[in-house]
Amino acid sequence: GAVVSQHPSRVICKSGTSVKIECRSLDFQATTMFWYRQFPKQSLMLMATSNEGSKATYEQGVEKDKFLINHASLTLSTLTVTSAHPEDSSFYICSASNRVDYEQYFGPGTRLTVT
Amino acid sequence: AQSVTQLGSHVSVSEGALVLLRCNYSSSVPPYLFWYVQYPNQGLQLLLKYTTGATLVKGINGFEAEFKKSETSFHLTKPSAHMSDAAEYFCAVTRSGGYNKLIFGAGTRLAVHP
Repeated sequence: GAVVSQHPSRVICKSGTSVKIECRSLDFQATTMFWYRQFPKQSLMLMATSNEGSKATYEQGVEKDKFLINHASLTLSTLTVTSAHPEDSSFYICSASNRVDYEQYFGPGTRLTVT
Repeated sequence: AQSVTQLGSHVSVSEGALVLLRCNYSSSVPPYLFWYVQYPNQGLQLLLKYTTGATLVKGINGFEAEFKKSETSFHLTKPSAHMSDAAEYFCAVTRSGGYNKLIFGAGTRLAVHP
């Protein structure tokens, strides 16, 4: 149980384009989802927290107009990187929590490369 | 505010040797503590967690950790390392109850040599 998927697992896009990453909870209802960014050989940095049906709460220093987060249902959250630049290249990981144990279940991550 | 310090960014052990990964935390409220493992290009897998109750917690793959409030520590151990244990390990802390963000340590890369 408590499986979280991400799609795509790997994406390459050109500078200036937008890319959408999906995070799905497959066997539970995720009332809260978290988006993290991880640079090579570094720890995870929380970007934002999203609750189903409401606006995401962004961490300090994260541009909300660049990283658009939507959590329209209890099983799906999306992160859209708008007007991507090479410095946005990173490993993006989502996690999902339910009301049962509040534990965060992590997705497998998405490797974004902007050329 | 909460924070996590993992002593040693790299730890190397021989196969069959004891694994000890250190984690110290800072928290002004009762913490929940976690250890996660990450294999290359993958997400995080929960090894074990401490919330309340018994301070020695056992996790998957033979790992365990002990919550020591007086030392503000939550070190991860395994009696005998396997080659498959080679990975990145993250300690994390959060506030108890509800949806709270995890604060991660910088991570420790464990290498296991034959």
